[in-house]
Amino acid sequence: AQKVTQAQTEISVVEKEDVTLDCVYETRDTTYYLFWYKQPPSGELVFLIRRNSFDEQNEISGRYSWNFQKSTSSFNFTITASQVVDSAVYFCALRINTGGFKTIFGAGTRLFVKA
Amino acid sequence: DTAVSQTPKYLVTQMGNDKSIKCEQNLGHDTMYWYKQDSKKFLKIMFSYNNKELIINETVPNRFSPKSPDKAHLNLHINSLELGDSAVYFCASSQGQGVQPQHFGDGTRLSIL
Repeated sequence: AQKVTQAQTEISVVEKEDVTLDCVYETRDTTYYLFWYKQPPSGELVFLIRRNSFDEQNEISGRYSWNFQKSTSSFNFTITASQVVDSAVYFCALRINTGGFKTIFGAGTRLFVKA
Repeated sequence: DTAVSQTPKYLVTQMGNDKSIKCEQNLGHDTMYWYKQDSKKFLKIMFSYNNKELIINETVPNRFSPKSPDKAHLNLHINSLELGDSAVYFCASSQGQGVQPQHFGDGTRLSIL
C-alpha cells in the first residue's frame, strides 16, 4: 500500500526556534518522488522541494533543510530560526507510477509560529 | 501572469444544483489535475489528464465530470450537488507526470447550502 504519514497534526513554536516536520512514507516501488508543499493561511499551495528515490542527498535552501533517509522511509523537513511567516500547513507527498502517476498527500502538519 | 487560474474563487449554491469550475494554465504543461481538499485539509486526487486524455480517475462519483478541451484547460462539472461536496477544489498542472512538481491554482471554495 502507498501511504504518507505526517504524525504531527499541529506544532506550535516561538519565533527563532528550530522546528522539524516529520514525514514517513510507504511504497513498494523502487522509483518514486517525494515533495513538500506549503499552504499558508491564504490557501494556495506552494511547491517547496522535490526528491527522487535515487537521490538521498540532503538539501538546504536558506532556513529550510530536508533530510531524506530511505532506510527509515522518511523525508523530514526542518525550518531553522522560524518566523511568523512560516505559519502554514505543510504537506508531504509521494508520487508513484500506478498506471499513471499518482500523488498521495499526507494529512498535513499545521505549524504555528508565535512572535 | 497567473500560472494556474481557477474560476470562480468562491461558489455558494444549493443542494441539487449543477455547477462548473474552470481551470486554465499558461505554463505550457501537458498534464492537469483536480484535487479535493476537505474541511480537515486532507488533499485527495480526483482526476488527472495528460494531453487531454484521462489518466487517473480516483473513484469519484460520476456526478463529477472533467472536460479537457485542450492541454491548457481542465474544467470540472458537478451535477446534483450534495452537502458532502462542500470542499476546496484545487486545479494543478505539471510538465509530464513524473518528476516535475505540480503547480496549483488558488482553489475554489464550494459551499453547498
